[in-house]
Amino acid sequence: RKEVEQDPGPFNVPEGATVAFNCTYSNSASQSFFWYRQDCRKEPKLLMSVYSSGNEDGRFTAQLNRASQYISLLIRDSKLSDSATYLCGQAGTALIFGKGTTLSVSS
Amino acid sequence: DAGVIQSPRHEVTEMGQEVTLRCKPISGHDYLFWYRQTMMRGLELLIYFNNNVPIDDSGMPEDRFSAKMPNASFSTLKIQPSEPRDSAVYFCASSFSVTGVDGYTFGSGTRLTVV
Repeated sequence: RKEVEQDPGPFNVPEGATVAFNCTYSNSASQSFFWYRQDCRKEPKLLMSVYSSGNEDGRFTAQLNRASQYISLLIRDSKLSDSATYLCGQAGTALIFGKGTTLSVSS
Repeated sequence: DAGVIQSPRHEVTEMGQEVTLRCKPISGHDYLFWYRQTMMRGLELLIYFNNNVPIDDSGMPEDRFSAKMPNASFSTLKIQPSEPRDSAVYFCASSFSVTGVDGYTFGSGTRLTVV
């Protein structure tokens, strides 16, 4: 069983929509979680770190639920430029990533 | 800062040939990571170094893969002999910490095709 699981999608939403992704993890000892964004044929880039209860940055909100061992990413007022693959990462020793969730925002 | 620099960007080779991928981490980063990304398996950690010393190579698929970090500014990932199933994008990343508190910075990747 992979340590970090994500729904691959794709999630197809119109501009302005609110969309949420979940990511489940198996290492209950992990203290740090992350969301990375990866554009097509590009490298992953850090979007948000997720500590304790969560983190918010503009239209993006990440939350951690330790009891159920999942983290979520909420994107409000989706933009065309949000179209990408979102990777969930868990820090055990080094970062372990899920396979990613693909988001497509259309006009 | 130029970021993490990987070379080559693309590599096409024949089965059985040796392939060497190169990485220059960000200056001052103590940790260097090699990842492999495929559609089937996603982004997998192969090996990571701390201060040029390999710490965890449990993700290296088999003995055909080897990685070295002779100094703080250079690392190589070698595949010998290469096989078609090794076709993937190989990313190098570096960081101040292993937990990624400040995030890992990834290079642009090497897209390897073994025919």
